[in-house]
Amino acid sequence: GDSVTQMEGPVTLSEEAFLTINCTYTATGYPSLFWYVQYPGEGLQLLLKATKADDKGSNKGFEATYRKETTSFHLEKGSVQVSDSAVYFCALSDRSTSYDKVIFGPGTSLSVIP
Amino acid sequence: DADVTQTPRNRITKTGKRIMLECSQTKGHDRMYWYRQDPGLGLRLIYYSFDVKDINKGEISDGYSVSRQAQAKFSLSLESAIPNQTALYFCATSDPGLPRSNEQFFGPGTRLTVL
Repeated sequence: GDSVTQMEGPVTLSEEAFLTINCTYTATGYPSLFWYVQYPGEGLQLLLKATKADDKGSNKGFEATYRKETTSFHLEKGSVQVSDSAVYFCALSDRSTSYDKVIFGPGTSLSVIP
Repeated sequence: DADVTQTPRNRITKTGKRIMLECSQTKGHDRMYWYRQDPGLGLRLIYYSFDVKDINKGEISDGYSVSRQAQAKFSLSLESAIPNQTALYFCATSDPGLPRSNEQFFGPGTRLTVL
């Protein structure tokens, strides 16, 4: 079945450091890929998405490229800020299945210290 | 204004009690979902509904039931709460009209503690 694997956290970085959160997936069809972010005390919100191979999603300085050959969708940011402290979820949606379910990874907690 | 709202935001209850969590949305989406979040496990789908007359079980539906009262309202019930149902519960909506995407829009969550 479809699945999403993320690097385990928590991840702690100093402000202005480079961020990479690894995400790999398994899917039977042609999934769309997402990164969601959950700030403390809030629900998840979409950070970025990519709907086909080689697409790059970007938002708020974060980027991720849909790599079909390596089944990956790694999240990157060149210079993190304290306000980026949150939990990040990689997810996929596979429309080749009988319903449009979304599969979430376990989440990676990021703490950015001044 | 919040597009997806959940009530209550926090609830503490005792084993064996019946609990209802409510979700309302103003996004006009037909599709609604209930998830639970547990540390290290991410989000797991409990139930989903693609319209008022369509209710489907997710991967962890045992011990839960739902009611879709209207397009805008989707309630989750725990018939007889047990401690391992202590978790953060999220309601979400989606619009099937978005091309090649199932972007989901989440409520703020309900933190449920079962003693």
